[in-house]
Amino acid sequence: QKEVEQNSGPLSVPEGAIASLNCTYSDRVSQSFFWYRQYSGKSPELIMSIYSNGDKEDGRFTAQLNKASQYVSLLIRDSQPSDSATYLCAVTSTGANSKLTFGKGITLSVRP
Amino acid sequence: DGGITQSPKYLFRKEGQNVTLSCEQNLNHDAMYWYRQDPGQGLRLIYYSQIVNDFQKGDIAEGYSVSREKKESFPLTVTSAQKNPTAFYLCASSKGPQGGSPLHFGNGTRLTVT
Repeated sequence: QKEVEQNSGPLSVPEGAIASLNCTYSDRVSQSFFWYRQYSGKSPELIMSIYSNGDKEDGRFTAQLNKASQYVSLLIRDSQPSDSATYLCAVTSTGANSKLTFGKGITLSVRP
Repeated sequence: DGGITQSPKYLFRKEGQNVTLSCEQNLNHDAMYWYRQDPGQGLRLIYYSQIVNDFQKGDIAEGYSVSREKKESFPLTVTSAQKNPTAFYLCASSKGPQGGSPLHFGNGTRLTVT
């Protein structure tokens, strides 16, 4: 059973701080990694995708991937109250029957 | 505007009844998916379809059925055989196979069974 773990939560940070969200995965051959944001009662929306080792930046968001250690993280700089949401990590492997596996999510609360 | 439309937003049914959730997309995506989300849980895959007239079971297909007669449409039927049907149901699509293409989600249908 391929697993995606998001263990450290819920997370609370003050406005303006850096929020660090972590995700580990069990399938070594995983190739594609996604972060989705889900506001309460709403559907998930894609905020970042990353496919190779290293950092990928998009505005206040940075995704970091380390395949050797099998973790992917999301950093949110200058956190805003509007960032308060649940963040879902999703991981997929390659192959004809590749499938996306979601973590349970981590809830972030940004305090004004 | 391209997107995925799920209807209805809220659905109530009595135990023992079948119910069908609608999902339509105009993104011209080949692949479509149904997920279920329970409070405090991640998304669990019910069924997916990578091409018209073909679909595959996901991790929790028991008690559900789907059809894919048109590229744009992927309805989900929750049958009376589903033991705990109350949940938030999400339809999604992707341009290519699930492996490398990100998912685009509809707004979801919240099903309550009493």
